[in-house]
Amino acid sequence: AQTVTQSQPEMSVQEAETVTLSCTYDTSESDYYLFWYKQPPSRQMILVIRQEAYKQQNATENRFSVNFQKAAKSFSLKISDSQLGDAAMYFCAYRSPNSGNTPLVFGKGTRLSVIA
Amino acid sequence: NAGVTQTPKFQVLKTGQSMTLQCAQDMNHEYMSWYRQDPGMGLRLIHYSVGAGITDQGEVPNGYNVSRSTTEDFPLRLLSAAPSQTSVYFCASSRTEHTEAFFGQGTRLTVV
Repeated sequence: AQTVTQSQPEMSVQEAETVTLSCTYDTSESDYYLFWYKQPPSRQMILVIRQEAYKQQNATENRFSVNFQKAAKSFSLKISDSQLGDAAMYFCAYRSPNSGNTPLVFGKGTRLSVIA
Repeated sequence: NAGVTQTPKFQVLKTGQSMTLQCAQDMNHEYMSWYRQDPGMGLRLIHYSVGAGITDQGEVPNGYNVSRSTTEDFPLRLLSAAPSQTSVYFCASSRTEHTEAFFGQGTRLTVV
């Protein structure tokens, strides 16, 4: 079974600075999908970014980008020019393309604080 | 656009009571699932469905039932509530097994 590990329970960053959240995963599959979700205090789960494993190019969405290292099974999220609204829980998630089994496997999350 | 709608947003139950958490999506998604979120545990899969009439168990199914009679609805039933079921529950849907999941706003359930 696939597992997702987020080794940083909490992180903090100064406003306007850059922060990187770590995520590693364990799988024997060669093709899969990886996601970062943001959960602000409102509790809503919001998709931040998506990466397909067969694509070598790292995904980017405005100030959010990933460093996808397939061989190392690492999928870190970089937030540039951090803003107060970025303060939230961030969850890394894995999805197998062969679902009929587990839809999404989540890490335990990283709580990000942004300091003004 | 409604997306995924969960009701209720908050609920308090007494031990032994039963109830149903409602989940509906208007995106014609085949895949739907229920997760529970507990502090320090992330989101854990309870049950999921790959289409109407098809359901399967996830990581933590005990104490919960589901059914999927239509594409739109995927209710979660607590048969006999226990304090260990105090949690935040999320319903999610996705168009295919390759795409991202869209989440409802969650239900905070307290069992006393």
